[in-house]
Amino acid sequence: NAGVTQTPKFRILKIGQSMTLQCTQDMNHNYMYWYRQDPGMGLKLIYYSVGAGITDKGEVPNGYNVSRSTTEDFPLRLELAAPSQTSVYFCASRFRQGTYEQYFGPGTRLTVT
Amino acid sequence: KNQVEQSPQSLIILEGKNCTLQCNYTVSPFSNLRWYKQDTGRGPVSLTIMTFSENTKSNGRYTATLDADTKQSSLHITASQLSDSASYICVVKDSNYQLIWGAGTKLIIKP
Repeated sequence: NAGVTQTPKFRILKIGQSMTLQCTQDMNHNYMYWYRQDPGMGLKLIYYSVGAGITDKGEVPNGYNVSRSTTEDFPLRLELAAPSQTSVYFCASRFRQGTYEQYFGPGTRLTVT
Repeated sequence: KNQVEQSPQSLIILEGKNCTLQCNYTVSPFSNLRWYKQDTGRGPVSLTIMTFSENTKSNGRYTATLDADTKQSSLHITASQLSDSASYICVVKDSNYQLIWGAGTKLIIKP
């Protein structure tokens, strides 16, 4: 049981480039989330999904897109990368019910220059 | 505006000592409050969750307290170990299922 896995661990992008951050969970969780964590700040929710085929915007969705074609995968797409998107990105998942505890992946550190 | 403020921003203590981290929130209405531990380069891991009716909850050497009247929580770490070096994040959930994350307290345990 690997939990939540994210790839890549690190990435450097040039301004204007695009990339996809991958997130996979093997716990059969319904809910999945994408957060960004900037230095000295709390986590900010980018997008979330309550199940396959359903996604919704969080607090800071501009510049990002997501899809949820399967229960396991929740990729985050960056189009036209900007320096303001330099951050650490975390994917998380949880069951629909219960304690609502979120389980986090190890993160992707992205630098846009 | 819903906010979660944590103090201190950072803290250095000697191994074996106790410490207390603070969390003040303005989230209303309030649903529950969690403390997470985040090791460097890793994702957060849940330590405790408390609803408004709970005053204290323990997880090993970690004890969280909650005063819903004053909107304050604390995380007390007893007999600190080197592995306790991490950031500790307070997260408050409102009744709309939104999570408001604090910026965290960075704790360093020195041998």
